Amino acid sequence: SQQGEEDPQALSIQEGENATMNCSYKTSINNLQWYRQNSGRGLVHLILIRSNEREKHSGRLRVTLDTSKKSSSLLITASRAADTASYFCATDAVYGANSKLTFGKGITLSVRP
Amino acid sequence: DARVTQTPRHKVTEMGQEVTMRCQPILGHNTVFWYRQTMMQGLELLAYFRNRAPLDDSGMPKDRFSAEMPDATLATLKIQPSEPRDSAVYFCASGTGRNTEAFFGQGTRLTVV
Repeated sequence: SQQGEEDPQALSIQEGENATMNCSYKTSINNLQWYRQNSGRGLVHLILIRSNEREKHSGRLRVTLDTSKKSSSLLITASRAADTASYFCATDAVYGANSKLTFGKGITLSVRP
Repeated sequence: DARVTQTPRHKVTEMGQEVTMRCQPILGHNTVFWYRQTMMQGLELLAYFRNRAPLDDSGMPKDRFSAEMPDATLATLKIQPSEPRDSAVYFCASGTGRNTEAFFGQGTRLTVV
């Protein structure tokens, strides 16, 4: 079962604009991760934010985490056509003494040249 | 360069046949995940292992699916007998434990006719 739900399901923007994608989840987490998937390929890890962190940056990526609202957002600044892909949030949820990594259904981002 | 290797990349089989998918995790990784991706359900966690021990396979149809790690360099996912509804892309991912990213293979695209 999916733990995270992304919003919107699809996003189309012009090159150079910023893209904001949101993720909501249901249970306690150790961390939240964002992944990218190009068509026909495996998922590639973008960024991980731990439950005690509120914001993290990596290049053109900015991730925020609000554990009180059980939500996260991924911002891609100055988007490029090459950013066109599906983006997934994944929650590393507390699961007894272990944890399990579950994914949302993803957001399809199209960046128009 | 270190990567997760999945074989075969594509498999077409007839309903009722046994299917075996293999995964070689990155050397030194102690956590292995199996996911199934479909348009309707997104990425579903089927099973995961830590130090070769199965921790959770609650997402897997037990009557026909089985997952094993015969050794630290090989994980297998078997479907017997296969059904058309099993058609999907199956991903293996490996990692080093809690609060770390998962590295995905390129997937096995399974078509059951």
